Amino acid sequence: KNEVEQSPQNLTAQEGEFITINCSYSVGISALHWLQQHPGGGIVSLFMLSSGKKKHGRLIATINIQEKHSSLHITASHPRDSAVYICAAAINTDKLIFGTGTRLQVFP
Amino acid sequence: EPEVTQTPSHQVTQMGQEVILRCVPISNHLYFYWYRQILGQKVEFLVSFYNNEISEKSEIFDDQFSVERPDGSNFTLKIRSTKLEDSAMYFCASLGLVYEQYFGPGTRLTVT
Repeated sequence: KNEVEQSPQNLTAQEGEFITINCSYSVGISALHWLQQHPGGGIVSLFMLSSGKKKHGRLIATINIQEKHSSLHITASHPRDSAVYICAAAINTDKLIFGTGTRLQVFP
Repeated sequence: EPEVTQTPSHQVTQMGQEVILRCVPISNHLYFYWYRQILGQKVEFLVSFYNNEISEKSEIFDDQFSVERPDGSNFTLKIRSTKLEDSAMYFCASLGLVYEQYFGPGTRLTVT
């Protein structure tokens, strides 16, 4: 059983659409990370959350600790947002457990 | 902005050979990690390192793997005798003061 589950696995959108990616986890965590991976393979950290909500530009991340669920929202999506978005659960300072990622393609 | 660097960006090696993947974490960070991503699969934790010793390691991190911080700046991952299934992207990461992990650009290891 995967400890971190993401949905959907693949997502296509038209430019300007509002996008939501969901993440559920079954382990106790110290924080929940949202990461972005571009086709070249590099990983960029978008958010680290332990409670509530964070916003950075058009990106919003929320977490519900009781329900063990987090969401990543992209407002006014743009083709440059096309990437794989990965949810990862932080287990203390020892490691991240990764979800399988959501491949997002935004078309003009 | 400080960043984690990794060398080489791509390493091709023959099965059975030893490889060393190098990482330079951000200078004031104290926790270091290696992760790997086999093509088409999710990123997997290999090992965490703190205070010059392994903090935790996964089942993947068997006796063929070792890590060290030889000179206070570099953080290396050694695979003693590579297998075909070691082909993957290897990411180094270091942990900042607010517990955010900073990832290097990765080393693509191809074992032939």
